[in-house]
Amino acid sequence: NAGVTQTPKFRVLKTGQSMTLLCAQDMNHEYMYWYRQDPGMGLRLIHYSVGEGTTAKGEVPDGYNVSRLKKQNFLLGLESAAPSQTSVYFCASSYFPTGAESDEQYFGPGTRLTVT
Amino acid sequence: GQQVMQIPQYQHVQEGEDFTTYCNSSTTLSNIQWYKQRPGGHPVFLIQLVKSGEVKKQKRLTFQFGEAKKNSSLHITATQTTDVGTYFCAGPTKGYGNKLVFGAGTILRVKS
Repeated sequence: NAGVTQTPKFRVLKTGQSMTLLCAQDMNHEYMYWYRQDPGMGLRLIHYSVGEGTTAKGEVPDGYNVSRLKKQNFLLGLESAAPSQTSVYFCASSYFPTGAESDEQYFGPGTRLTVT
Repeated sequence: GQQVMQIPQYQHVQEGEDFTTYCNSSTTLSNIQWYKQRPGGHPVFLIQLVKSGEVKKQKRLTFQFGEAKKNSSLHITATQTTDVGTYFCAGPTKGYGNKLVFGAGTILRVKS
């Protein structure tokens, strides 16, 4: 199993350009997530999905859009990139949790995005 | 909104010394998870604590969940260079979706 994969690994964009980050998981997980990681701020949730065809906003959704057309894929789009979106982006996935426990999240290797 | 705070932000220890990072939540948690991120890597799940006052050990790592389920700690005994990385705690947020709110993390550096 490859687990969670992300493409691309690195990308440099000019302000105003658009791009799509692709996340794929082969663990048949229902839930998928997009986070951004900035120095000193931990991981912040951008958008998430609880199943194929569903998406929802997280903590910092502005400037991003997502789609989950297939269960195994979760796409993150930047329509008009801004320097404030320079960050490392992580995709994650998890099973459906039961009871008082959450389920662990499995992270992809990340995409390092620079917007100039 | 719900917040999870971690201290210290950064710690540099001599190899063989102990290390502790502390996590405090603004709300009572049903459980807490810990993750490790090696430099240049991605977060990897270490453990989950569910019960009040729970203590779990993984070799040199000891995890505790507070009695009030609002705080947690990770203690590493006799650090090694392989312990280098950032340690995050994370608690579940309200609502559907297995969502987590992460602390800012503690960066551990080990001098050999």
